[in-house]
Amino acid sequence: DGGITQSPKYLFRKEGQNVTLSCEQNLNHDAMYWYRQDPGQGLRLIYYSQIVNDFQKGDIAEGYSVSREKKESFPLTVTSAQKNPTAFYLCASSTGQGVYYGYTFGSGTRLTVV
Amino acid sequence: GQQLNQSPQSMFIQEGEDVSMNCTSSSIFNTWLWYKQDPGEGPVLLIALYKAGELTSNGRLTAQFGITRKDSFLNISASIPSDVGIYFCAGQENYGQNFVFGPGTRLSVLP
Repeated sequence: DGGITQSPKYLFRKEGQNVTLSCEQNLNHDAMYWYRQDPGQGLRLIYYSQIVNDFQKGDIAEGYSVSREKKESFPLTVTSAQKNPTAFYLCASSTGQGVYYGYTFGSGTRLTVV
Repeated sequence: GQQLNQSPQSMFIQEGEDVSMNCTSSSIFNTWLWYKQDPGEGPVLLIALYKAGELTSNGRLTAQFGITRKDSFLNISASIPSDVGIYFCAGQENYGQNFVFGPGTRLSVLP
């Protein structure tokens, strides 16, 4: 079955460390997105990519980095520069023309700084 | 940037009751989406709306694209325990643009 897979489901990070969250999709979607979700808040866009080797900053990109070397993969690195990284992170994808059709989301990664 | 407002913020209802929630924007949108998020999971698309006045159903769920194009409504009939979760609206101002998400309505269903 086609879908979008995020790993790991839970991640613990020590302060000052970088961590990378994985996102893989086999839906043949062109566009991929990373969102951050905090309790009681909506989804805030971190980065998005509409084609391979290209990506744009979203509303809260500071302290994060991404790469898009393959169509299927869009990893997110949470750097030590991110002051409050504890959150639930969601990856999503959509067809290139079809941001019109909305996004398919992964099941999320919960990052906790310890 | 654009912001969407959702109301109510949270609601507690008895099993079997009907539910209504809405989403409003200061901008005109071309597309409205409604998602449901179960605890600890990613949102799942429930209904997509593409033109003003459109009324679309998905089982016990019915959503409407407001005629002003600045709002949308979601109704759930005869609620059941598995309806528990957070319901998000998302709007797209122009085709091809990223969607903007509302803060969500948290629904609790009491047996």
